[in-house]
Amino acid sequence: AQKVTQTQTSISVMEKTTVTMDCVYETQDSSYFLFWYKQTASGEIVFLIRQDSYKKENATVGHYSLNFQKPKSSIGLIITATQIEDSAVYFCAMREGGSGSWQLIFGSGTQLTVMP
Amino acid sequence: EAAVTQSPRNKVAVTGGKVTLSCNQTNNHNNMYWYRQDTGHGLRLIHYSYGAGSTEKGDIPDGYKASRPSQENFSLILELATPSQTSVYFCASGVRGSAETLYFGSGTRLTVL
Repeated sequence: AQKVTQTQTSISVMEKTTVTMDCVYETQDSSYFLFWYKQTASGEIVFLIRQDSYKKENATVGHYSLNFQKPKSSIGLIITATQIEDSAVYFCAMREGGSGSWQLIFGSGTQLTVMP
Repeated sequence: EAAVTQSPRNKVAVTGGKVTLSCNQTNNHNNMYWYRQDTGHGLRLIHYSYGAGSTEKGDIPDGYKASRPSQENFSLILELATPSQTSVYFCASGVRGSAETLYFGSGTRLTVL
């Protein structure tokens, strides 16, 4: 069965620094998709970035990038030059793309606080 | 911009009562989902739908029913609400496919007394 684990419950960083949030996953499928979503203090949940398992290069969108380490079943989210408005809960999620479960499975989330 | 609207935003219900949470999307997406969010559990899938007339069970369907009468609308029904169903519920929509990105509503906070 697929599983997504985020062990960091909360992280605090100073503004304009770089932060990495960890996520490890379990799957029996050779093809899968990994996602990061952000939940703001208002409760809004938005998609940030995606990594396809068959791609070797790490995905990058704006000041978000991923550290995809397939042998370690790890997909870290890196935020560079953090801003106050990056304070939020970040969820890692996975969907199997082959014959496995089609459902999107979420981790428990990491609360990021960016301090001025 | 994708739009998923949930109603009500807040709901207080009594144990044993019937509760209906509604979701409307204007994205013309095939797929719709209901998740609940509880501290320490992230988002857990209750029911989902591939299109009008279809509903499927997710990871935690017990105590919940779903209805998809049209492409735009997807409801979550608690026939006999219990305090353990106190939670925040999110609806989402997406285009069918493994790389599907979900668009979420603003959530409904349900309290069952």
